[in-house]
Amino acid sequence: EPEVTQTPSHQVTQMGQEVILRCVPISNHLYFYWYRQILGQKVEFLVSFYNNEISEKSEIFDDQFSVERPDGSNFTLKIRSTKLEDSAMYFCASTSRGGYEQYFGPGTRLTVT
Amino acid sequence: GENVEQHPSTLSVQEGDSAVIKCTYSDSASNYFPWYKQELGKRPQLIIDIRSNVGEKKDQRIAVTLNKTAKHFSLHITETQPEDSAVYFCAAKRQTGANSKLTFGKGITLSVRP
Repeated sequence: EPEVTQTPSHQVTQMGQEVILRCVPISNHLYFYWYRQILGQKVEFLVSFYNNEISEKSEIFDDQFSVERPDGSNFTLKIRSTKLEDSAMYFCASTSRGGYEQYFGPGTRLTVT
Repeated sequence: GENVEQHPSTLSVQEGDSAVIKCTYSDSASNYFPWYKQELGKRPQLIIDIRSNVGEKKDQRIAVTLNKTAKHFSLHITETQPEDSAVYFCAAKRQTGANSKLTFGKGITLSVRP
């Protein structure tokens, strides 16, 4: 069964550094999302992406964040200048055309020191 | 925007007993309600979902019920087993387009005592 994949599984970075989190959505899916989960808390929506543009973003997704689909398979989340409070698990998800279910990747644990 | 409340925050049951987890939502336009199971350090895994055109859905030991009038939905797990121990999240979304976001509840930690 196809799965969403994410790399790296764990990223440690220093405050102020840029990080790029990578996702490969399921191949025939058209709608892509990033969520984050701070340790012990609920999953929070960051951004949705369709047809090479952002469909919706949350208040968390400020100017420090950006997303890109640089080629036909990857979907990336960039944090320009990381803060301590960006430490969280970041999940990518994708949905097929007309689909309801969002399929989640295994997540990238980001630790900002 | 949508607000999903989930209660209780922890639940402990004896193996073989049933567990019921309840969620409420605020947006009457929400029409899709999935339940996710998350084991420690792993991805949320969809275990069952329900759309607003039905009131109940069952899949082996798990079932979900939806009350649109009261804006709440519940997860029912029967004959619980130790491997059911995990964090369970409910979520809601308004499926106006497939790119609709999910709004999650805070999660409940279910412990099944052997």
